[in-house]
Amino acid sequence: GNSVTQMEGPVTLSEEAFLTINCTYTATGYPSLFWYVQYPGEGLQLLLKATKADDKGSNKGFEATYRKETTSFHLEKGSVQVSDSAVYFCALSELIQGAQKLVFGQGTRLTINP
Amino acid sequence: DVKVTQSSRYLVKRTGEKVFLECVQDMDHENMFWYRQDPGLGLRLIYFSYDVKMKEKGDIPEGYSVSREKKERFSLILESASTNQTSMYLCASSRVLRGEQFFGPGTRLTVL
Repeated sequence: GNSVTQMEGPVTLSEEAFLTINCTYTATGYPSLFWYVQYPGEGLQLLLKATKADDKGSNKGFEATYRKETTSFHLEKGSVQVSDSAVYFCALSELIQGAQKLVFGQGTRLTINP
Repeated sequence: DVKVTQSSRYLVKRTGEKVFLECVQDMDHENMFWYRQDPGLGLRLIYFSYDVKMKEKGDIPEGYSVSREKKERFSLILESASTNQTSMYLCASSRVLRGEQFFGPGTRLTVL
């Protein structure tokens, strides 16, 4: 079945550092890809998405490009802030029984130190 | 603002109790989902519903049931709670055939 693999965490960086969180997927067909973020004590929020190959999703300074050839959707940010400390989840969508189900990676906890 | 609400943020129950977790969305979404979130395992789908009174098993349905009598409400039921059901439970909703899901704040359930 479809699956998503994220880089192991936790990840700790200093403020203004460059961030990359790796995400690769295994899927039949061409699923949509997502990054969700979970801030402490909250539910998940959609951070960005891409629906087809070579699409770039972007939001709040974060970017990710849908790479079909490497089956990857790595999350990047040029200069992280303390407020970016959260857990990040990569996910893909698959159609099942009339609904788009999300398959999640295990999550990567990011801590940014001032 | 779109909103998914869950009945409790924290819940403590005893082994063997029947537990109800409620989820309500105000976006008129057709699809609703229940996940559990455990460290190192990400989110795993328990059940989902693509329409009123319709339900489908997800990846880990054992020990759970669901009910969807109205479009806006989706309930998760633990018929006889066990300690291995201690977890964070997240509800989500989406439009039909749209991948983007909107999540509630979660219920942290502890079963003693």
